[in-house]
Amino acid sequence: GESVGLHLPTLSVQEGDNSIINCAYSNSASDYFIWYKQESGKGPQFIIDIRSNMDKRQGQRVTVLLNKTVKHLSLQIAATQPGDSAVYFCAESYSGGYQKVTFGTGTKLQVIP
Amino acid sequence: DAGITQSPRHKVTETGTPVTLRCHQTENHRYMYWYRQDPGHGLRLIHYSYGVKDTDKGEVSDGYSVSRSKTEDFLLTLESATSSQTSVYFCATQKGGTGELFFGEGSRLTVL
Repeated sequence: GESVGLHLPTLSVQEGDNSIINCAYSNSASDYFIWYKQESGKGPQFIIDIRSNMDKRQGQRVTVLLNKTVKHLSLQIAATQPGDSAVYFCAESYSGGYQKVTFGTGTKLQVIP
Repeated sequence: DAGITQSPRHKVTETGTPVTLRCHQTENHRYMYWYRQDPGHGLRLIHYSYGVKDTDKGEVSDGYSVSRSKTEDFLLTLESATSSQTSVYFCATQKGGTGELFFGEGSRLTVL
C-alpha cells in the first residue's frame, strides 16, 4: 500500500541552530501534507500544512517545503529551542469524499542546550 | 485545543476480556478517528466515523469495533483483548473531511 516514511529516525541539534526534518512519501495522488509534533506522553499537535499546489509555506519559526518531483517533504525549524524537542511526524492525505491521513513513523528531535 | 477527552487514560487487563475506550469531544466536529501508536509503526488508523452511526474500517481494524451514537462520543471496543493490542490509543477529531486533526492525550492499554 501507499506509505509515508522518514529519512532519519533521530536528529540532534544544538540550541539556536536550524533543524531540518525530512520525509519521503510514495502516493503521487496525495494532495495535502501535514507536520505534527508529539511531546512525550501527549497526543500529536498540528504544526503546519501544505497543499500540493504549493511548494513552500511558512509559519512562525517553521517552514515546510514540498518537492512533488521527488515526492519529498521537509520541515525546517529556525533557531531551535529546547521546547522543540519532540517526535515529529509527517502525514499525507488525498481527497476523495474525505481525507484519510497516513502518518510516517516519526523523527525524534533532540535539542542540545 | 479541540476539547477531546479520552478515558480511561491507563488500563491493564487480561487476555480475553472486553475493553472499551471512550473518546468525548466538545467541538461538534463531524469526523472522529481512532489510531493506535506502536514503536516503529507510527500512527495507524483503526476505525473512523463521518457522522452519527456512520463508521468505517481503517487499516488495522481486525479485533476492534466502534460505535458513535452521539456526535460527541466515539467508542472503541476490543471484544476479546489480545497481547498484540497492547498499545497507546489516540482519538482524533476533524471539523470537516479535510484539514487538521485534533488529538486527545491518548489511552495506554496493556493486555497481559
